[in-house]
This record gives sequence, C-alpha cells and structure tokens, in this order.
Amino acid sequence: AQRVTQPEKLLSVFKGAPVELKCNYSYSGSPELFWYVQYSRQRLQLLLRHISRESIKGFTADLNKGETSFHLKKPFAQEEDSAMYYCAPPLGTFGEGTQLTVNP
Amino acid sequence: DAMVIQNPRYQVTQFGKPVTLSCSQTLNHNVMYWYQQKSSQAPKLLFHYYDKDFNNEADTPDNFQSRRPNTSFCFLDIRSPGLGDAAMYLCATSRVQGGTEAFFGQGTRLTVV
Repeated sequence: AQRVTQPEKLLSVFKGAPVELKCNYSYSGSPELFWYVQYSRQRLQLLLRHISRESIKGFTADLNKGETSFHLKKPFAQEEDSAMYYCAPPLGTFGEGTQLTVNP
Repeated sequence: DAMVIQNPRYQVTQFGKPVTLSCSQTLNHNVMYWYQQKSSQAPKLLFHYYDKDFNNEADTPDNFQSRRPNTSFCFLDIRSPGLGDAAMYLCATSRVQGGTEAFFGQGTRLTVV
C-alpha cells in the first residue's frame, strides 16, 4: 500500500522567508503523489500533482526517488499561504498534514 | 459552479439515532469517496465506490454504511451514531481509481448530542 509521512505537524515562518513542507513516501514502484491544501473554512483542494511539474501559487514539488521524498517548496512565503497542507497518493491515505503559518 | 456538493453543511443528530449524509457530483466521475476528518487530524478514508463496486477500508466500523444509487449520488449512513462519530465528513470524487486527483465537497459537520 502507498504510504506517506509528513514529519512536521506545525511549521511557522515569516513572510518572505523560504518554506519547505516535507513529505516522504514508503512504497516501491513509480509513486504518484499530490499535494492538497485546505485554507481556513474552505474545501480541501488540489495544489500540485507530481506528474505535471508545474508551479502553482509559487509552490513547486519535485519527486526525489533517491530520498523517497516529495517536498513542497516556495522561495518566498506569503501570509495567504497559511493553511493545512496534505501530501497524498491517488487513493485513500493522506499524510498527517502540516499546518503552515506565515507570520507578518 | 460547485462540482461536489454535500448536504447538509451542518447536521445535528441524537446519540443512537440513524443519520444520513448526502453527496452529489456533476463531474460524472467513476469513483466517489467518503472520508472522516476529526479535529486537527488528517482525513481518514472510510470507503469508496468505483462505479457500483463498494470498497470498504478494513478499519471502518460496521456502524458506517454507504449507498450509491447512481453515478451522481452517494450517501453515508451512520446506523447508531456515538459521541465519537462527531466529525467533519468529506465526500470526494475522482475520474478513475488511482492515478488522478480527487475533488472534494465542502464537508458536512456532524454533531452528536
């Protein structure tokens, strides 16, 4: 089964600082991974998918098979990035989530 | 233009009284999921339908059941709600089973009194 781990439950940075939300996976084969975001009082929504290699809202995530990681990065955090972020495979089990707070 | 709609947004039920939560989708997706999300926790998959095929997670209590009468609708039935079942219940859809993103509804906040 596909499993992901997000080691940090809480992450706090200042506006303009770089941010990295960690996600590690633990299954063999070619993983398929997503980052979802949940802003306060809004529905859970897709932020990034690994196959697209795109940048959304300044965030990027690269699949590193050597380190079995799919970390989410943004060079300059904004206050509106404050939210809960989940790493997840296509079906079922989400990571535990990381609550990101960007302070002014 | 909501694509996954959950009703109601808030539901209050009595301890032990059966309750049904509803989900509908306009995406014509094959797969529909139900998640339970408790405060400060990640969503936990309860079960999903791939078309008419029901797939239950091993640790989902028997108290939770689901029905999918057609492609668009899916229901979550809690036969005898306990205080521990109070949570946000999320419905989601995806086009195929695995390999694609999931689209989520706004959720139904269930309170058990």
